[in-house]
Amino acid sequence: GDSVTQMEGPVTLSEEAFLTINCTYTATGYPSLFWYVQYPGEGLQLLLKATKADDKGSNKGFEATYRKETTSFHLEKGSVQVSDSAVYFCALSAGNNRKLIWGLGTSLAVNP
Amino acid sequence: GAVVSQHPSRVICKSGTSVKIECRSLDFQATTMFWYRQFPKQSLMLMATSNEGSKATYEQGVEKDKFLINHASLTLSTLTVTSAHPEDSSFYICSARRDTTLFTEAFFGQGTRLTVV
Repeated sequence: GDSVTQMEGPVTLSEEAFLTINCTYTATGYPSLFWYVQYPGEGLQLLLKATKADDKGSNKGFEATYRKETTSFHLEKGSVQVSDSAVYFCALSAGNNRKLIWGLGTSLAVNP
Repeated sequence: GAVVSQHPSRVICKSGTSVKIECRSLDFQATTMFWYRQFPKQSLMLMATSNEGSKATYEQGVEKDKFLINHASLTLSTLTVTSAHPEDSSFYICSARRDTTLFTEAFFGQGTRLTVV
């Protein structure tokens, strides 16, 4: 069945460091791919999305490119801030019911 | 983006009582809403899919008689935790699905922290 695999956390970085959080997927058909962010004590917010191969989603300095050949959707940011500390979830939506399939989440802590 | 409001954000209840959590899509109609439970180590577990005007679809292992879901309108779904016990203490999150012709997008409520004492 469809699945999403995310790199395990926690990830700890210093401010202004480069961030990569890996995400790979398996899916039948052509899924849409998403990154969601959960700040401490809050619900999830959509960070960015891509709906077809080679699309690049971007928001708040974060980027992810839909790579069909490697079935990946890695999240990147060139210079992280303390305010980026959160849990990041990779997800896909596919199939007739278009249910979201979630990765387990990656916790990011950015130190000043 | 679209807004989903979840209420209450925190609730403490006594063991054996029932608690109702509301999930509203404020600026779009959602025929489908989802209820999740989030465990302390961050994993997100889908409990059930709530369909407007019909019965909810529960995931394997989720007790439908304990977690009652009602999706009475296109903007409101409710989750009632019946006869709550301390092991039901958790973070519950709803999401509402907005479908377009090209893709599906989910918007999340702020979550409800349930503590059963």
